[in-house]
Parts: sequence; structure tokens; C-alpha cells
Amino acid sequence: DAKTTQPNSMESNEEEPVHLPCNHSTISGTDYIHWYRQLPSQGPEYVIHGLTSNVNNRMASLAIAEDRKSSTLILHRATLRDAAVYYCILRAIYGGATNKLIFGTGTLLAVQP
Amino acid sequence: DTGVSQDPRHKITKRGQNVTFRCDPISEHNRLYWYRQTLGQGPEFLTYFQNEAQLEKSRLLSDRFSAERPKGSFSTLEIQRTEQGDSAMYLCASSPRVGDRTSPGYEQYFGPGTRLTVT
Repeated sequence: DAKTTQPNSMESNEEEPVHLPCNHSTISGTDYIHWYRQLPSQGPEYVIHGLTSNVNNRMASLAIAEDRKSSTLILHRATLRDAAVYYCILRAIYGGATNKLIFGTGTLLAVQP
Repeated sequence: DTGVSQDPRHKITKRGQNVTFRCDPISEHNRLYWYRQTLGQGPEFLTYFQNEAQLEKSRLLSDRFSAERPKGSFSTLEIQRTEQGDSAMYLCASSPRVGDRTSPGYEQYFGPGTRLTVT
């Protein structure tokens, strides 16, 4: 499975944008880029996913590099409730029946008031 | 719909005892996953069900672990002769079939987890 690399931790101020980077230099053509987050004492929560084009939803935006070797999760205005561990995951949708998620250690985002 | 539920939320047991956890997925989700998470690490895949069939088991799932999903609805994860190394958060997730109108099947919906402490 292709691997992702994320910073261990990042800090942000409340109501400011946050850019969470992810490197995935060995990504294959059939790998989707998924982001999940895990708030304290909760299970992971789906955030967004994309293949080649940038994606927006109500939670965040996903910017994907043209060569797909990196991506950035963008929280447009961080709130205290966004403090969580953010996981960048590659997922080959048609690569197998399981579609299990393979998590790394993620980025711990701290949001300061 | 109340999401994925897990029971119990916390379990403390003595080494050598057996424990069983239950997961109730979102109704009509045919895919169900179990993960384990230790402190400071991301969740690790344990096993996967499609309907009632257990289609994949991780090497992490030793002979002391068994999972079932009778009738393709709720699932149970049993750990026999618990060891201190089994202490972790056990997470359950469900996912709709690929192509469902409400979701392309890419997302997994996680429960709150069962925290197991083996003393």
C-alpha cells in the first residue's frame, strides 16, 4: 500500500485558515486521497476525498497537486471544535473487496482561542 | 438514524478473562469493519464483513480473537484469555454498498469505540 507522510502536529488560531499537508509520492493512478479526523475520545470521522481535481464540501476543501504526489486539507476558518488528529489515507477503491482504511499517525491539530 | 453504536463503551477485565463487544452498524449498511487503536497510534484494521461473510482478517487477529456477524446485522468481537497487550480502543465502522444512492460507498462511519483495559 502506498504510504503517506504528515507532520506530527500543527497549531492554528481560531477563525484563521489551516492548511494541513500530506505527501504521497508513491501514489498510484487508482488511489483516491481520503481525509478523516478523530476528535478526542471519539471514533474517526470522514472529512473529504478526491482523485485528481480539487474538492469542496461543507467541512473542508481538498487541494491536490497536479502530479498527485501531495495534497492539502484546508479548513477555511478553524474553530476550537476542529482540534483533532487528521489522517490522510490513500485508498484504492477498486483494488480489493475490503476497502479497509490504513491509518498512519496523522497530524494533531491544536487550535488556540 | 443514530449512527454506529458500540457496547460497552468501557470494559475493565482481569488478565485471562474473556470479553465480548457488540457493534450495531447503521441500518442497511452491508459492510462492517473492526479496528483496534492503541494510545498515540492510528486505528489498525482487524477484520471485515460483507453482510454475514467475514471476508478478511488481519494478521493482528490472533486465535484468541473471533468475530461474527450473524444475519448480516450487528457484529460481535470476542477476545478469549485476555492479555495486557489487548488493552486498546476497539472501533467498529460500517459502510454502505458501493453505488448506494446516499453514498458512493467510499466513506466509513465509525462508532465511539469500546475502551478495553486488561489488568
